[in-house]
Formats: sequence, C-alpha cells, structure tokens
Amino acid sequence: AQSVTQPDIHITVSEGASLELRCNYSYGATPYLFWYVQSPGQGLQLLLKYFSGDTLVQGIKGFEAEFKRSQSSFNLRKPSVHWSDAAEYFCAVGARDYGGSQGNLIFGKGTKLSVKP
Amino acid sequence: DVKVTQSSRYLVKRTGEKVFLECVQDMDHENMFWYRQDPGLGLRLIYFSYDVKMKEKGDIPEGYSVSREKKERFSLILESASTNQTSMYLCASRRTIPYNEQFFGPGTRLTVL
Repeated sequence: AQSVTQPDIHITVSEGASLELRCNYSYGATPYLFWYVQSPGQGLQLLLKYFSGDTLVQGIKGFEAEFKRSQSSFNLRKPSVHWSDAAEYFCAVGARDYGGSQGNLIFGKGTKLSVKP
Repeated sequence: DVKVTQSSRYLVKRTGEKVFLECVQDMDHENMFWYRQDPGLGLRLIYFSYDVKMKEKGDIPEGYSVSREKKERFSLILESASTNQTSMYLCASRRTIPYNEQFFGPGTRLTVL
C-alpha cells in the first residue's frame, strides 16, 4: 500500500538559514509527488510537483525538491528561509494508475515549520 | 487561476444537527474531494467524486454523505453531527489529466458542541 512519511513533526530554523524537510514514500512503482504548504487557517497551496524527467524540481517561493528513487525520498529544500515561510508543509504521493484512483493523493502528516528572528 | 470556494470559514453546530458543507470550483474540473484535517493525523479522504452524481468512499466515510448534482458543486453532509466530527474540512478539485495536482479551498473549521 502507498504511504508517505514525514519524520519531523516540528522544525525550527533561524531566518536566513537553510531548510530541508524530509519526505519518504512507499510505492511499488515510480510515483508522482507533490509538496503543499498550508499557512495558518488556510487551505493548501501547491509548492511543486514531480512526475518524470529532471529529479531536481523548482517550485514557487524559492523552494526546490529532489526525487531520489534509491532512497524513496522527495525532500524539500530552501537555501534561505524567510519569516513568511512559517507554515505547515505536506508531502503527497499519487498513484500512476488512473483506472480506479481518479488522481487520489496520499498525504503525509505534515511538518510544522517555525522561523526564529 | 483556479478557484475553489467553501461556503463557510467557521461553523458552529450542535450535536444531532444536520450539517451541509458546500464547495464550488470554477474551472470545470471533473474530480472533487472532501478531506478532514486533524492535528497529528494530516489529511484524510472522506469522499470523492469523478463525475456528476458519481461518488466514491474515501478512507473515513462513516458519518458522512455527499452530493454532486452539478459539476461545479460538491456538498458534504453530516446527517447527525457529533462532537468527534469537530475538525477542519478541506475541499479540493482537479482535472482528469495525468499527474495533475489538486487545488484546495480555504477550509471550513467546524465545531460541534
């Protein structure tokens, strides 16, 4: 069965420091992967997605993620964090078989990011 | 830009009431989804719909039903609200294109007293 693990429930970084949020997935074939961000009291906004090609994916707000098949990982990175990046981040995996799933996603439980001034 | 709207941002209901949560999308998406979000549990799929009048159960359908009479609107119904249904409810939609993402509404925070 598909699953997504975000090992870190809560991370605190200083403003200007680099950031890496971890995501590991379990899926029998090559998945397609997403990172979403949720600001307090808001819905989810797509940061980036990967489904094929270059394994380093660029997203909005200066974020990038790297797909590593050998490690079943899709970690999110940002070289310099801004105070406005404080939010909750969700990794999600989708099934490639559209026959029955209709594009359903499996979400990780999220990582809450706090930013110190 | 795709827009997914939800009828209420905050809702307070009493135990036993029938509750309707409405979701509307303006981009002619075929697929629509209802999730609930709880601290430490992430997003859990309640129901989804891939066409008008079509619905499929997600992971936690118990205590909920849905209705999709028009393509742009997907309603979540709590037939008899209970306190354990206090949660954040998120609606999403997507087009049936391979690898396409889901677009989310702002959420409805429901409190059942």
